[in-house]
Amino acid sequence: ELKVEQNPLFLSMQEGKNYTIYCNYSTTSDRLYWYRQDPGKSLESLFVLLSNGAVKQEGRLMASLDTKARLSTLHITAAVHDLSATYFCAVDMWGNKLVFGAGTILRVKS
Amino acid sequence: ETGVTQTPRHLVMGMTNKKSLKCEQHLGHNAMYWYKQSAKKPLELMFVYSLEERVENNSVPSRFSPECPNSSHLFLHLHTLQPEDSALYLCASSQDRDRGVYGANVLTFGAGSRLTVL
Repeated sequence: ELKVEQNPLFLSMQEGKNYTIYCNYSTTSDRLYWYRQDPGKSLESLFVLLSNGAVKQEGRLMASLDTKARLSTLHITAAVHDLSATYFCAVDMWGNKLVFGAGTILRVKS
Repeated sequence: ETGVTQTPRHLVMGMTNKKSLKCEQHLGHNAMYWYKQSAKKPLELMFVYSLEERVENNSVPSRFSPECPNSSHLFLHLHTLQPEDSALYLCASSQDRDRGVYGANVLTFGAGSRLTVL
């Protein structure tokens, strides 16, 4: 059974500083996704990583995938308040099945 | 309407009631999903329909009964639920990739239906 673990589960960030969220998974997959969820809202797709070594960047967020280590990271550069949300990674299993991590709650303090 | 629409947004029901959640997608996708999101557990996949055929039933209790009459609509029929079934139920859709081609399976989620079982 595929297990997806995120850490930390909660991250209190200071504005302007850099942080990293980690997503580990237990079985082979080379497709991984990051989603964002704002309070009371639905999940929104952020990044799609489809191969080993894939790196995607959007604004202050950068995601990467190491399929050999079964690890994806979401790096936050110079955190700003707008980034406060819950971030989920999801690993793609064959057969339309995405398995989600527990989510990481990010809060940016002024 | 665009995207994935779920109704109702909030539902309170007793344990003996029967109700249904509805999901509609306007994206031309051919796969639809039900996920359960509760405070105690990560997002749990419940059901997957691809081309209107159920392809995943993730050991969900029979008090939850899905229905997919066409590729744009998905229902979750609820009966004799338990208080622990209270959660946010999220519907999602995607374009099922051609199984012979390496591709992404990006889900578009609806806003969810918040269910409270008394």
